[in-house]
Amino acid sequence: GQSLEQPSEVTAVEGAIVQINCTYQTSGFYGLSWYQQHDGGAPTFLSYNALDGLEETGRFSSFLSRSDSYGYLLLQELQMKDSASYFCAVGFNTDKLIFGTGTRLQVFP
Amino acid sequence: DTGVSQDPRHKITKRGQNVTFRCDPISEHNRLYWYRQTLGQGPEFLTYFQNEAQLEKSRLLSDRFSAERPKGSFSTLEIQRTEQGDSAMYLCASSLGGTESYEQYFGPGTRLTVT
Repeated sequence: GQSLEQPSEVTAVEGAIVQINCTYQTSGFYGLSWYQQHDGGAPTFLSYNALDGLEETGRFSSFLSRSDSYGYLLLQELQMKDSASYFCAVGFNTDKLIFGTGTRLQVFP
Repeated sequence: DTGVSQDPRHKITKRGQNVTFRCDPISEHNRLYWYRQTLGQGPEFLTYFQNEAQLEKSRLLSDRFSAERPKGSFSTLEIQRTEQGDSAMYLCASSLGGTESYEQYFGPGTRLTVT
């Protein structure tokens, strides 16, 4: 089956750097996406890796290694507003996304 | 607001009743997706449309669930004979599709509570 595992919770302080890992047991996917979801809000797209390597988008970077079945989201210069749940997701040629278990990030002052 | 909208935002129903939810995608998006999300979990794929064609349905979608997208615009998701296990947030998303399918735009969701 298809599964994407993430740590359930990560905590950090403002200004710090945090890495959220995503390990998966699936194949044949096009790429790895990351979404952010604040409590009570809708998931919003953050980043996408079609190829292995690092993609940088402002304070957020995402990494994919297909050979290691592993990816991560790196958040730099953490702000209080970054406290949210983060989901990795794999996309297939059928257009659907399969989401990971989610990581709740808590940023403390 | 040109984002994805969903209606209603909240629905409380008694077990056994039928419910219908509506989703209006971003107008230029031809892909429309339905997901279900329970507390503490990631969204689970239910079904998706390319224009008016329903291209895939998850095995999670029992015969009590049906979705339509007439004329390739808005979509409806109907749940017949609701059960308590149907209580969840139902999310709709849309995308341009193709190579852009990884970037899906989600609506605020409809929270269903079955009593």
